[in-house]
Amino acid sequence: GQQLNQSPQSMFIQEGEDVSMNCTSSSIFNTWLWYKQDPGEGPVLLIALYKAGELTSNGRLTAQFGITRKDSFLNISASIPSDVGIYFCAGQPQYNNNDMRFGAGTRLTVKP
Amino acid sequence: EAGVAQSPRYKIIEKRQSVAFWCNPISGHATLYWYQQILGQGPKLLIQFQNNGVVDDSQLPKDRFSAERLKGVDSTLKIQPAKLEDSAVYLCASSLGGNNEQFFGPGTRLTVL
Repeated sequence: GQQLNQSPQSMFIQEGEDVSMNCTSSSIFNTWLWYKQDPGEGPVLLIALYKAGELTSNGRLTAQFGITRKDSFLNISASIPSDVGIYFCAGQPQYNNNDMRFGAGTRLTVKP
Repeated sequence: EAGVAQSPRYKIIEKRQSVAFWCNPISGHATLYWYQQILGQGPKLLIQFQNNGVVDDSQLPKDRFSAERLKGVDSTLKIQPAKLEDSAVYLCASSLGGNNEQFFGPGTRLTVL
């Protein structure tokens, strides 16, 4: 099935820095979502995007649905230690609206 | 509001044994999903239920995996017989409807020896 290419795989940043990660696909997606997963827990939804070009914020998090509908990015501003975790992009492909594909994740480490 | 409940949290079995996982979705959520998350990867959708009917099971290895949601609430996922490569976290999620805004349970970590 269609995979989502998520990058970078991991990031090591200093507290206070901004972070950017992205997700791309060769197919068109109808929905893009960003999740955060802490160790031993299930993913938690951060932001959901439903329209091409849509830019949505949730506190220090901002995500955008790419105009081509084949990509999305997530930015975190002024990172804090509790931002540590694995961030996943996910989306519903246009060719199967019942499906939900996940990227491989970006592991974020924030040094105090 | 109670979240998605899963049990057991951990399970260790030997290959060729059988295992079952249980999920109780958020009350009122019609749609229930089972995902497999292998270490270092994102979750992979195995099966989706709408009430007690299967919406999509195209990625479920049906020779050994089965799932049911008989009364449209709780669900069980079974593996019979298990293989080494089935070692993973099995996540259950639910949503009010459709595929958006899924709420995940804590998962069951399966180790097959």
